[in-house]
Amino acid sequence: AQSVTQLDSHVSVSEGTPVLLRCNYSSSYSPSLFWYVQHPNKGLQLLLKYTSAATLVKGINGFEAEFKKSETSFHLTKPSAHMSDAAEYFCVVSGSYQKVTFGTGTKLQVIP
Amino acid sequence: EPEVTQTPSHQVTQMGQEVILRCVPISNHLYFYWYRQILGQKVEFLVSFYNNEISEKSEIFDDQFSVERPDGSNFTLKIRSTKLEDSAMYFCASSESSDPTDTQYFGPGTRLTVL
Repeated sequence: AQSVTQLDSHVSVSEGTPVLLRCNYSSSYSPSLFWYVQHPNKGLQLLLKYTSAATLVKGINGFEAEFKKSETSFHLTKPSAHMSDAAEYFCVVSGSYQKVTFGTGTKLQVIP
Repeated sequence: EPEVTQTPSHQVTQMGQEVILRCVPISNHLYFYWYRQILGQKVEFLVSFYNNEISEKSEIFDDQFSVERPDGSNFTLKIRSTKLEDSAMYFCASSESSDPTDTQYFGPGTRLTVL
């Protein structure tokens, strides 16, 4: 069985300040983990993924995430928020036969 | 860059009617998926499809739902007799393999409204 918990449903940051979106997972095997972003009225775009290579993963638009097995976490960070980062972010764990489980999502608000 | 496309972007139907949602996966991908997202809720897995067969399906995917790859490019989701609770955004996705490390690429979604 696998599950994903996104600890914050809403996060609000000021433009230019750091972003932290938290994700914890549970999985009975070595997981593959992904972060997707969904802008309003748009589809799901892959930001980055972890697949048991480097634990610090860099993605698009300056985002990165660190896989911490001891904490079962895969938090998403960005050093400096931009207005265009306002969107909903989903943490996803992938299991056998590509059955993926989505977190409930975190809406990021960026204040000018 | 190749992308998954879905049509229509928005479908409105009456309760009890049949709807077919269409997807064109990325051309060299072999695995196809449908997900749904009811407004305000999380994205839920419906079904995965490979080699003209369902690989896995969730509890949501009951007898009212069916999937098909009618030709070499399209992948469809049919809902036989729509209910109000079928109103949701439906996402199609595709991947090259079934490896859990492989990325699933999502389409923009079809918003289904059942009246």
